[in-house]
Amino acid sequence: SQKIEQNSEALNIQEGKTATLTCNYTNYSPAYLQWYRQDPGRGPVFLLLIRENEKEKRKERLKVTFDTTLKQSLFHITASQPADSATYLCALDQGGKLIFGQGTELSVKP
Amino acid sequence: NAGVTQTPKFRILKIGQSMTLQCTQDMNHNYMYWYRQDPGMGLKLIYYSVGAGITDKGEVPNGYNVSRSTTEDFPLRLELAAPSQTSVYFCASSPLAGGEQFFGPGTRLTVL
Repeated sequence: SQKIEQNSEALNIQEGKTATLTCNYTNYSPAYLQWYRQDPGRGPVFLLLIRENEKEKRKERLKVTFDTTLKQSLFHITASQPADSATYLCALDQGGKLIFGQGTELSVKP
Repeated sequence: NAGVTQTPKFRILKIGQSMTLQCTQDMNHNYMYWYRQDPGMGLKLIYYSVGAGITDKGEVPNGYNVSRSTTEDFPLRLELAAPSQTSVYFCASSPLAGGEQFFGPGTRLTVL
């Protein structure tokens, strides 16, 4: 069956460290993958999109990798700040629609 | 631009009641989506639309209906509310199929 899995446990890190979040999938062949940020009580906000032919994409302190052989995407936040605390969702393309993972809650402590 | 707006923000329904969740976008996007999000879960696609007059089912359409008479509006209708429909509902729009999606603030619905 098709499955998308993100770190099920909340991730707690110290300010200034790099946060790494994982998105694994099975039985999908997505042409691209997206990452969103969601704050409590609010709608998700788009962060990055990476295509299947792109190994890595960067935007300011954010970096996403996409390994179609491992069926995995890694999302990195460097020099993390307390303001980065939120839930991060990965979403896979399925024929132009998005299938979302359950999200990973990140907490950055000062 | 207001982006994507949703009303109401909160609603409590009794079992068997009906209601319409409103969604409007002012970005002239062709693609619009309705999702539900249960606690600790990702978003599940209910219905989507690729343009005015065209709608299609997503992953969890049972118990819901939609219409798309204009580019701007994409209302979601619950006909006979059930406790299983207690959730947070998000509307989203996108200029491209599979592109970046812009989400509304959500409607928190409780069915008792």
